[in-house]
Amino acid sequence: EAQVTQNPRYLITVTGKKLTVTCSQNMNHEYMSWYRQDPGLGLRQIYYSMNVEVTDKGDVPEGYKVSRKEKRNFPLILESPSPNQTSLYFCASSLRGDGVGQPQHFGDGTRLSIL
Amino acid sequence: GENVEQHPSTLSVQEGDSAVIKCTYSDSASNYFPWYKQELGKRPQLIIDIRSNVGEKKDQRIAVTLNKTAKHFSLHITETQPEDSAVYFCAASRSGTASKLTFGTGTRLQVTL
Repeated sequence: EAQVTQNPRYLITVTGKKLTVTCSQNMNHEYMSWYRQDPGLGLRQIYYSMNVEVTDKGDVPEGYKVSRKEKRNFPLILESPSPNQTSLYFCASSLRGDGVGQPQHFGDGTRLSIL
Repeated sequence: GENVEQHPSTLSVQEGDSAVIKCTYSDSASNYFPWYKQELGKRPQLIIDIRSNVGEKKDQRIAVTLNKTAKHFSLHITETQPEDSAVYFCAASRSGTASKLTFGTGTRLQVTL
């Protein structure tokens, strides 16, 4: 089954404790992206990757890191989490990131609470 | 950069009525406009999309219209059903930077019996 898999689905942690949210897709998609969803603000892009070893900042990259060492994986790293990063996070992928827009397939989301 | 505004933020309709959600965008070079539906506690899922070379697209009870001159696009749902209750997001992107998908802030649609 074609899917985008995120882990963990839920996490409660404390300020300053490094954490990683994993994202994996099995569709051989070139493009992957991370969004955060906050009430009243919709989905905002954190980082995206056009292909292996190619990443770039989205609209709200501060406090986050990403890497794309393999095509299928795109982990989101919070080196020193703070309470303002409490949010619902979605990973998404699409076949390509350039050219004319294409549908993005979303994971099930990760709800992070940082105390 | 692109800015997408979406209205209304909440919409309540009776079952069987039509619902219309409107979005405006700022970047005249945007040419791809998807709509996503997000049920409570679930992932956003694409329900329909339109590219700027067409003015309207239909898929059963849903349709999207695009007015490039006015830079706005709308989602139309006819004969609404309770399972249409969800949050709907519009988005926009442009060729060459399809990765830069800018979303609206969402519309919570409630279909009442």
